[in-house]
Amino acid sequence: GAVVSQHPSRVICKSGTSVKIECRSLDFQATTMFWYRQFPKKSLMLMATSNEGSKATYEQGVEKDKFLINHASLTLSTLTVTSAHPEDSSFYICSARRFDRSPETQYFGPGTRLLVL
Amino acid sequence: SQQGEEDPQALSIQEGENATMNCSYKTSINNLQWYRQNSGRGLVHLILIRSNEREKHSGRLRVTLDTSKKSSSLLITASRAADTASYFCATDNRNEKLTFGTGTRLTIIP
Repeated sequence: GAVVSQHPSRVICKSGTSVKIECRSLDFQATTMFWYRQFPKKSLMLMATSNEGSKATYEQGVEKDKFLINHASLTLSTLTVTSAHPEDSSFYICSARRFDRSPETQYFGPGTRLLVL
Repeated sequence: SQQGEEDPQALSIQEGENATMNCSYKTSINNLQWYRQNSGRGLVHLILIRSNEREKHSGRLRVTLDTSKKSSSLLITASRAADTASYFCATDNRNEKLTFGTGTRLTIIP
C-alpha cells in the first residue's frame, strides 16, 4: 500500500485566524494530490487538485483566496484556510495518486477535523 | 460535479449475513471504485472495476458493474463486526478526479 499522513488531526481556532493543514506522502512521491471536504454523515466534495510545482486547480464554487494550496515538493501539499469562519468547520481529507504502482487509486490521509469558534 | 446516489443510505444487519449496497451514477466512466471509511477517519480503497468488466472479486467482496444502467453493487459476504463503516462508490471519468457517491452507512450487529 501507500501511506499518506495529515497534520494536525484536529484543530480548534478562533474566527478570523488562518489554519494550515499538511498532507504528506510518506513512502512515495506524489505529483498530484487532492483536497476534499466532508460534512457530517455526507460524502466527500473535491475542493481542488494540487499539482507539484504549479498552481492548484480549484473546483467550481471553491474560493482559491480562501483555501490556499501549496504543493512545494513531491511529498508535501498544504491547505491553508485563511480568515477562518465557523462555516469553514469541517473534516478536510487529502489524497494522493501513486503513479508508479496503481495510478487510478487514490490513497487517503486520515483527515483533519477543523472547528472554528 | 454531480455525485452518484447510493442506496440504501443506512443498512443494519446481523453478523454473518451478507450486505449489499448499490451505486448509480450519471456520466460515462473509465472505472468505478469502492472505498470504506471508518467513523472520523480517512478512506481505504477496497476494489476497482473497469468499465469493460462486469464483475470482480476480492476476498469477501464482490462488485458488479452494469454500464448500460450506470449502476454498481458491492456485496460483502459473511459480514463481521469490523465491517461496520461507511462505504462510498467513486467514479473516474478519465479526468483524474474521483466523484464520490452519497455513501451507505453499514452497521453489523454482533
